[in-house]
This record gives sequence, C-alpha cells and structure tokens, in this order.
Amino acid sequence: GAGVSQTPSNKVTEKGKYVELRCDPISGHTALYWYRQSLGQGPEFLIYFQGTGAADDSGLPNDRFFAVRPEGSVSTLKIQRTERGDSAVYLCASSLRQSSYNEQFFGPGTRLTVL
Amino acid sequence: GDSVTQMEGPVTLSEEAFLTINCTYTATGYPSLFWYVQYPGEGLQLLLKATKADDKGSNKGFEATYRKETTSFHLEKGSVQVSDSAVYFCALSDQGGSEKLVFGKGTKLTVNP
Repeated sequence: GAGVSQTPSNKVTEKGKYVELRCDPISGHTALYWYRQSLGQGPEFLIYFQGTGAADDSGLPNDRFFAVRPEGSVSTLKIQRTERGDSAVYLCASSLRQSSYNEQFFGPGTRLTVL
Repeated sequence: GDSVTQMEGPVTLSEEAFLTINCTYTATGYPSLFWYVQYPGEGLQLLLKATKADDKGSNKGFEATYRKETTSFHLEKGSVQVSDSAVYFCALSDQGGSEKLVFGKGTKLTVNP
C-alpha cells in the first residue's frame, strides 16, 4: 500500500518568507508526527497529532512554527518569517498507535533551504 | 529530559566483518527502544525494536538487546554486507503520552567489498 508522502520534496525560499509543507499519512493512521533533521543530526520531534488535535507540541521551537490537521488525515506544517536556521529536512511520520508499541512510518521528507 | 547517545561515526568495515554500534540512553520511565536505518536516498525505516528489559530485537541479521542495568541497546551484526551501508539511528519512545521518538545523532556505516 501507499506509504507516507510529503510535498514538496524540495523547497527553496528566501529569508522572511512563509512556507507550507504537506504530509499525507498512511490511510487509517490516527497518529501523525513532525520531526526536523538538521545536517549530521538525528531527527528532532516537533509536534504530534492524535486525530485532529495537537496532543503534544512541545518540540515546536518558537511561535513561527505552526501545524494543522483539520480532518484528521493530511497535515500541514507552516513556518512564518523563515530564517536561515530553519534550513533542514522536515520529516513526517504516522502510526496506528497500537497499545503494544508505536511503530512510526516515515515519509521521505521535505528539504527546506532558506537563503 | 530523555536522551540517546550513540557511537560517533563514520564506521568503515570490510564485507563479512563484525559490526557493533553502541547506544546508551537516559530516560525517566521505561522506554521502548528502536534502531532505525536510512539507506542512501531513502526514508527512515524501522530496523528492530525492544519494548522491555532483556528483550532482544532482531531483523535482517541485526540484533540488539535491551539492557536496563547498563541503559544500553547496542546494535550488532555478525557479518555485514555492502548492502548494509547506511546511517543507523538509535531511538527511544516513552511508553504512554505522545510516544514521540528521541533519536541519537546517527552512525554512518560504509561496508567495502
């Protein structure tokens, strides 16, 4: 079946601009996660959705970052007034959140470059 | 907060060599532990997992044992192949709550023929 998809695969923008990154999770997965991976680092958690609501947004670095999941499926990560330090690969993952363990399935990521 | 420390890379081995990538963790609760792998040009994939102390996760010839007494989850493979060349990430997830993953920095493995 289809995996997690993310669009665009690459995004180049200028400092100060607004960007939106989209994630399509695996059909039926109720949990959705956003991570950010800087060069040479492991992914860092940003935000977690259970259904439509953000259940944990403790990883969002500041109020320029916002994410929505209005219908409990597709999610959009929004970054306002982008800064060069926002350049990274943004990863989305989804899971069924079964009780035994939480296997998260990752998308290919969106590489964001802020010039 | 929770954290994962893994062996710095890069690691370069010859085919059929023995592989160990060390991983230790700090967590307040009783986390689940994972190894994820990122092959060149591909997304992160779950390699193996262990959800409680003394569990051994295994897949594709790789193994890791959840050691609570040493807070470790070292990845091992007896005989690596060129196709194992990838970046390996150790991660933990607190049971309960959001179960977000906390990753180590990754270890790049290159296997030469």
